[in-house]
Amino acid sequence: SQELEQSPQSLIVQEGKNLTINCTSSKTLYGLYWYKQKYGEGLIFLMMLQKGGEEKSHEKITAKLDEKKQQSSLHITASQPSHAGIYLCGADTGGYNKLIFGAGTRLAVHP
Amino acid sequence: AAGVIQSPRHLIKEKRETATLKCYPISRHDTVYWYQQGPGQDPQFLISFYEKMQSDKGSIPDRFSAQQFSDYHSELNMSSLELGDSALYFCASSAAFSYEQYFGPGTRLTVT
Repeated sequence: SQELEQSPQSLIVQEGKNLTINCTSSKTLYGLYWYKQKYGEGLIFLMMLQKGGEEKSHEKITAKLDEKKQQSSLHITASQPSHAGIYLCGADTGGYNKLIFGAGTRLAVHP
Repeated sequence: AAGVIQSPRHLIKEKRETATLKCYPISRHDTVYWYQQGPGQDPQFLISFYEKMQSDKGSIPDRFSAQQFSDYHSELNMSSLELGDSALYFCASSAAFSYEQYFGPGTRLTVT
């Protein structure tokens, strides 16, 4: 969706390196979701953020929603090959939980 | 706990045929969402149901219809299939007063 921009489009990192993926909305976010997708497979729920300034972590993945609720970042610490995949941010910009998605970030982690 | 179940996982149809996709939400989830993901594209919202009533509608063609049943499972009916309908169709579910949407594995529809 043009309302939701993700960057970078693709990322190749060496195993053990940290990385950050950004998601920027042109509208106020009522909810911001991060999913991981393997090619042609389902979306795996990572986390959801709703409040400005909110930060959540799961294992080595941390996501933040900025105070103005229009931008989120996903940070992976000490990346592993198992982190490889497509990371999608999804956003509720209307308050009815109908999600629009960014174009995704393809992550490759080389041993 | 079991996740969202979708069936069939793969479906091949010819143009102008009809198809029915089924979605079984996570237990106690009362809201179901349908998304379509074309090749190389991000998922697009089609339609959603809350407590068996349509709650929101997106870019769903008039040839498609959907409903949610008393057991909360949902079906997406697609008629007069076109080549452009070939895509991954995802169903997601969420619980009342929770906005976390959990996606199923998807149904890959191929129209030939």
